Amino acid sequence: GAGVSQSPRYKVAKRGQDVALRCDPISGHVSLFWYQQALGQGPEFLTYFQNEAQLDKSGLPSDRFFAERPEGSVSTLKIQRTQQEDSAVYLCASSLEGDRGAPNEQFFGPGTRLTVL
Amino acid sequence: GQNIDQPTEMTATEGAIVQINCTYQTSGFNGLFWYQQHAGEAPTFLSYNVLDGLEEKGRFSSFLSRSKGYSYLLLKELQMKDSASYLCAVLDSNYQLIWGAGTKLIIKP
Repeated sequence: GAGVSQSPRYKVAKRGQDVALRCDPISGHVSLFWYQQALGQGPEFLTYFQNEAQLDKSGLPSDRFFAERPEGSVSTLKIQRTQQEDSAVYLCASSLEGDRGAPNEQFFGPGTRLTVL
Repeated sequence: GQNIDQPTEMTATEGAIVQINCTYQTSGFNGLFWYQQHAGEAPTFLSYNVLDGLEEKGRFSSFLSRSKGYSYLLLKELQMKDSASYLCAVLDSNYQLIWGAGTKLIIKP
């Protein structure tokens, strides 16, 4: 496909359950970002990868959140022991360049809407 | 703390012009982005400003004043499809994008 894809689009989890959210960036894009977006709010940064290296994970809200991009393409965001406050849309974005200082346009996926009951 | 302020909601008429303001207070500044987000969809890039002044791109223009910590997005000849949320985001000194909560724009016929 031409754009960023994410799966699943919707996920309902029981409190305490582990979930894994997948992101397929645009082929060849070096940078990959994960964001959390609550209803009616702007996205909030979670973590950033340059190829397979996780260069910034300062936005991850707790040690229950873990992200990886082992081969520098597909990325997975894992949330362990989900809590109700984890309910949000999780957006993945990719950009072509690896230089985070450059004003690279970020291309967003459609997001995964996670609801924790 | 870091803060991005923009109005929660605006209403405008089809064919008219609307200006959406954004003020920011961030630790450092490496540029300001405007994104459009339709309900339930991903944000899509509209503009990037790093120098003071106006950038025009078709019906959309974006203005920046770094000394005032202020930007606006100007939409001309409004169309019904422009109904969406408009997100202002600043690239801070750590090259993290700090996002505003978005302005929901409602276009009426």
